[in-house]
Amino acid sequence: QQPVQSPQAVILREGEDAVINCSSSKALYSVHWYRQKHGEAPVFLMILLKGGEQKGHEKISASFNEKKQQSSLYLTASQLSYSGTYFCGTGSTNDYKLSFGAGTTVTVRA
Amino acid sequence: EAGVVQSPRYKIIEKKQPVAFWCNPISGHNTLYWYRQNLGQGPELLIRYENEEAVDDSQLPKDRFSAERLKGVDSTLKIQPAELGDSAVYLCASSYEREGADEQFFGPGTRLTVL
Repeated sequence: QQPVQSPQAVILREGEDAVINCSSSKALYSVHWYRQKHGEAPVFLMILLKGGEQKGHEKISASFNEKKQQSSLYLTASQLSYSGTYFCGTGSTNDYKLSFGAGTTVTVRA
Repeated sequence: EAGVVQSPRYKIIEKKQPVAFWCNPISGHNTLYWYRQNLGQGPELLIRYENEEAVDDSQLPKDRFSAERLKGVDSTLKIQPAELGDSAVYLCASSYEREGADEQFFGPGTRLTVL
């Protein structure tokens, strides 16, 4: 079953922060985050595995709360290059099968 | 390192016509995926290969879709005949499976328009 992402869209000015949430109705083993720019391939950002870890990638970090079956992606001090659609892909078992959310479109303006 | 290569990038056909998409994964990646992405949605898995074996094709509409990965490297996805509802972006991804939940690297996709 598809995870639910929120918000659907967010508009930021450069330097502002944002949080994107990804919630699942199923117990999760892994959460994958991708960013896709218009007309381009989704680009891998990070994986979080069962264990409640937090990861970082430049000024983009994420957390994984197993109990709540959700993950959050944090965009800190956003840059113009952060614009795009962010997808979470969730796995309920220790294998490849991911269900992707509908995406959150982030627009960063100067 | 070269990424996942897909061709063509765009394809416009009339309904009932056949169409084929090609994918060359990242060198050394044993696992290949085909996804379909509808406008405003996330990718949906169609089929997954481990080397040349299709290990999950449960989501592939087998009446009109077929796929092959003959030598365990590049792959072809075919639709015959195409329907209006097949208009979407078809993404290929690859990964090197080690412990299960590994990162998948996507190609740029083929945007299919069925008229």
